[in-house]
Amino acid sequence: GEDVEQSLFLSVREGDSSVINCTYTDSSSTYLYWYKQEPGAGLQLLTYIFSNMDMKQDQRLTVLLNKKDKHLSLRIADTQTGDSAIYFCAESKGGSYIPTFGRGTSLIVHP
Amino acid sequence: NAGVTQTPKFQVLKTGQSMTLQCAQDMNHNSMYWYRQDPGMGLRLIYYSASEGTTDKGEVPNGYNVSRLNKREFSLRLESAAPSQTSVYFCASEDSTMGQFFGPGTRLTVL
Repeated sequence: GEDVEQSLFLSVREGDSSVINCTYTDSSSTYLYWYKQEPGAGLQLLTYIFSNMDMKQDQRLTVLLNKKDKHLSLRIADTQTGDSAIYFCAESKGGSYIPTFGRGTSLIVHP
Repeated sequence: NAGVTQTPKFQVLKTGQSMTLQCAQDMNHNSMYWYRQDPGMGLRLIYYSASEGTTDKGEVPNGYNVSRLNKREFSLRLESAAPSQTSVYFCASEDSTMGQFFGPGTRLTVL
């Protein structure tokens, strides 16, 4: 079946930039999402990008999409301790298709 | 606008007991989902409902049943709980472009 892969852990120093990477296999994916899960909470949609876009910026967040390589990244500028969480990448073809989630990347921010 | 709500937040069951996890959304979404989240396993889809009156099995449906009571509500039932069902359960509803909206989760322990 279709697959979404992420590395499990990322550790950064406070104030640095974080880059979380994701690869997917379904070339017909239409929507690509990043979710954030804080400890003890549900997943919260952070941002999404349509497959016909290369980049989307939203304050400290930058999403880059390389559709040829099926690679999605989330860059967090000026990472803060409050950014420590698990970040999930997901893809969907929209409509009645079920989204596919990666296993999540745990971002650890050191003071 | 409460989004997605789930009850209860915590539950402890003995092996063989039954219980129903409740989920409701007020965003008028057609699709709703039940996931379980276990350490190192990411999110696994149990059941989903593409619209009122329809339900379908996901990746791990064994030991569970669901009811899509109306457009707002989607419940998950464990008829005879087993220790392997100890997990955190998330309900989500879906906007066709903006992705899934998750509830806060139910933390279930089966002894």
